Amino acid sequence: AQRVTQPEKLLSVFKGAPVELKCNYSYSGSPELFWYVQYSRQRLQLLLRHISRESIKGFTADLNKGETSFHLKKPFAQEEDSAMYYCALRGVSNTGKLIFGQGTTLQVKP
Amino acid sequence: DVKVTQSSRYLVKRTGEKVFLECVQDMDHENMFWYRQDPGLGLRLIYFSYDVKMKEKGDIPEGYSVSREKKERFSLILESASTNQTSMYLCASRTSGETDTQYFGPGTRLTVL
Repeated sequence: AQRVTQPEKLLSVFKGAPVELKCNYSYSGSPELFWYVQYSRQRLQLLLRHISRESIKGFTADLNKGETSFHLKKPFAQEEDSAMYYCALRGVSNTGKLIFGQGTTLQVKP
Repeated sequence: DVKVTQSSRYLVKRTGEKVFLECVQDMDHENMFWYRQDPGLGLRLIYFSYDVKMKEKGDIPEGYSVSREKKERFSLILESASTNQTSMYLCASRTSGETDTQYFGPGTRLTVL
């Protein structure tokens, strides 16, 4: 079965500290993985996708097929990073259906 | 800029009422989705549509139906609202091809009393 697991409901760090939001997946085949973010009072939006291998707002995520993980990392957290983060996996069909994890709230304290 | 709009930000209904949630996108996307968002459960797919009049059940379709008569509009229908359908409902629309991003609406917070 296809599944995405985010083990932490809440991650609280101080400004300037490193951040790692965990995401593990279960999927048979070559997955496409994404991180979506929802800032307070804003709509959910794409943060980054693994195939782009890009850094957005200082965040990076590497797909580790051996550990079936796609953790989101940032070396120095900022207060404006406080948000809800969702890891998502794209299924096999061509309709682009996404399977989301439970979400992790990142709280960056001053 | 892609625009996905939802008809209401907040909605309060009574148990047993028929409820319509509307979603409109302006980018000619084929695929549209309805999710519900609950704390600790993340986003769960209710239904999606891959073209006009085409629909497919998601992970939690019970108690819901959908309608896609025009490409830009995707409606979610609660045939007989129940208190366990109190939730945040998110609509999304998808590009296809290289970027393959889902664009989300602002959400409708539905409370069923």
